[in-house]
Amino acid sequence: AQSVAQPEDQVNVAEGNPLTVKCTYSVSGNPYLFWYVQYPNRGLQFLLKYITGDNLVKGSYGFEAEFNKSQTSFHLKKPSALVSDSALYFCAVRDNSRWSGNTGKLIFGQGTTLQVKP
Amino acid sequence: KAGVTQTPRYLIKTRGQQVTLSCSPISGHRSVSWYQQTPGQGLQFLFEYFSETQRNKGNFPGRFSGRQFSNSRSEMNVSTLELGDSALYLCASSLGDEKLFFGSGTQLSVL
Repeated sequence: AQSVAQPEDQVNVAEGNPLTVKCTYSVSGNPYLFWYVQYPNRGLQFLLKYITGDNLVKGSYGFEAEFNKSQTSFHLKKPSALVSDSALYFCAVRDNSRWSGNTGKLIFGQGTTLQVKP
Repeated sequence: KAGVTQTPRYLIKTRGQQVTLSCSPISGHRSVSWYQQTPGQGLQFLFEYFSETQRNKGNFPGRFSGRQFSNSRSEMNVSTLELGDSALYLCASSLGDEKLFFGSGTQLSVL
């Protein structure tokens, strides 16, 4: 079964410090990996995705993620955190159990709350 | 370009009633997916529609159903509401790739 794990419920970091939000995955076949962010009372916003190619993926708002196949991880990173980055972050993987029709079906992790303090 | 619009924003129902939620995708997007978000279960996939056809369904009981119209607008229906159906229901649209655009959701409370 395909799954995503975010081992930390909450990550606290001081403004200006680097941040990492962890994600590990289990999929059959090639992984299609994503990060989304959710601000209070809002839907999710796409940050970045990995499908193939360079293991370091750059996304919106200065975020990047590193794909590591041997560790089955896809950690989200940012060199310098901002207070406005405080939000709920979700890692997700596309369901590859069928060929077509799965583009809208993502399997999400439980989410990690990022708290950036001034 | 307008984003994904979900109506209503909030809804309060009682057990046993039914409810219909609406989603208008971004113009040009033909794929619409629905997710349920709860504190305990997180985000769970309900179903996906593409060109009026349901092409994927999650593990929810038959009380949960949906449809998509020719203009790509989608509705989901929950019949015989249970307390556990209280959740934020999110709709997402896409061009057919993996980048989903989510609406702000409908917060359903079942009393």
